Amino acid sequence: AQTVTQSQPEMSVQEAETVTLSCTYDTSESDYYLFWYKQPPSRQMILVIRQEAYKQQNATENRFSVNFQKAAKSFSLKISDSQLGDAAMYFCAYRSSSNFGNEKLTFGTGTRLTIIP
Amino acid sequence: NAGVTQTPKFRVLKTGQSMTLLCAQDMNHEYMYWYRQDPGMGLRLIHYSVGEGTTAKGEVPDGYNVSRLKKQNFLLGLESAAPSQTSVYFCASTSGTLIGGELFFGEGSRLTVL
Repeated sequence: AQTVTQSQPEMSVQEAETVTLSCTYDTSESDYYLFWYKQPPSRQMILVIRQEAYKQQNATENRFSVNFQKAAKSFSLKISDSQLGDAAMYFCAYRSSSNFGNEKLTFGTGTRLTIIP
Repeated sequence: NAGVTQTPKFRVLKTGQSMTLLCAQDMNHEYMYWYRQDPGMGLRLIHYSVGEGTTAKGEVPDGYNVSRLKKQNFLLGLESAAPSQTSVYFCASTSGTLIGGELFFGEGSRLTVL
């Protein structure tokens, strides 16, 4: 079974600065998908960014980008120009492509990000 | 813009009571899921469904039952609630036609079992 590990339970960053959240995963598969989800105090789960393992290029979405290191099984999230609205719990998630049509996501335990004004 | 709707949002039960959580989605999604979220443990999959009339066990299915009689609805039942089932429950759905597709989540249901 795949596992996802987020080793930073809490992180904080000054507003407008850059922060990187870490995620590692364990899998024997070669093709899969990785996600970062954001959960603000409202509890709503919001997709931040997605990476396909077969793509070498790191995904970016505005101020959010990932550093995907397939060999190291690492998938970190970088938030640039941090804003107060970025304060949330961030979850890393894994989905196997061999489960196509199934779409089960395996989640990490989360990192709580605090933005310091 | 309803998306995924969960009812109820909050519930307090006594040990041994039963209840049903309802998840409804209006996006014509084939796949639906029930997760539970506990502090320090992320989200864990309870049961899921890949289509109307089908259900399957996830990572932590014990103590729960599910039904998918209609495509748009996915029900999670607790027949005899236990304090260990105190948690926040999330329903999610996705279209099976999208590779790597996004899961759309409900707002969560907080359940407390005394």
